[in-house]
Amino acid sequence: NAGVMQNPRHLVRRRGQEARLRCSPMKGHSHVYWYRQLPEEGLKFMVYLQKENIIDESGMPKERFSAEFPKEGPSILRIQQVVRGDSAAYFCASSPPGQAGRIQYFGAGTRLSVL
Amino acid sequence: GQSLEQPSEVTAVEGAIVQINCTYQTSGFYGLSWYQQHDGGAPTFLSYNALDGLEETGRFSSFLSRSDSYGYLLLQELQMKDSASYFCALGGRNQGGKLIFGQGTELSVKP
Repeated sequence: NAGVMQNPRHLVRRRGQEARLRCSPMKGHSHVYWYRQLPEEGLKFMVYLQKENIIDESGMPKERFSAEFPKEGPSILRIQQVVRGDSAAYFCASSPPGQAGRIQYFGAGTRLSVL
Repeated sequence: GQSLEQPSEVTAVEGAIVQINCTYQTSGFYGLSWYQQHDGGAPTFLSYNALDGLEETGRFSSFLSRSDSYGYLLLQELQMKDSASYFCALGGRNQGGKLIFGQGTELSVKP
């Protein structure tokens, strides 16, 4: 059973470009979460999704950031017009039905560098 | 709001026992969990306490006291590979499905 898959592992963008981060949850998991981590800091919650629904986006910046988890395919975190402050590690996690808020399984992350 | 506090660094020697404390403030939650992260890699789930008391999983144990808003992770028979960052996290109820993480404790295991 493959774990949570994220790609790309590393992404370099110039200021003003768009970044698309992908996440495929573990098989059978219906909950997907995105977190951001700056160096030497903890993980900050961004958004919680189930298939075709955004459950909680309280941690997501109001502008330039969006997320989706379509019926088919991976979850996508999209950052438009990236700025240097967006440089961070972005982690996706998933949990099985009934385990939301309890146990989450994390992917290896995408390291975004904005030049 | 919710917040968690952990020591930023802990150092111990191989074979020893170390305890990483976590105090928190929240108005409601399902439980306290612990994650390990090596060198910025994928955080890995270690332990979860829904009820007060001690949960044991091999060399790792975790404790929760809701009345004291306090928990800890206990690592026994330390090995060099245990050098990593350890995060406590609150989940559930007022947090919804998300986890609220502490800032992490960097554990250094010395020979």
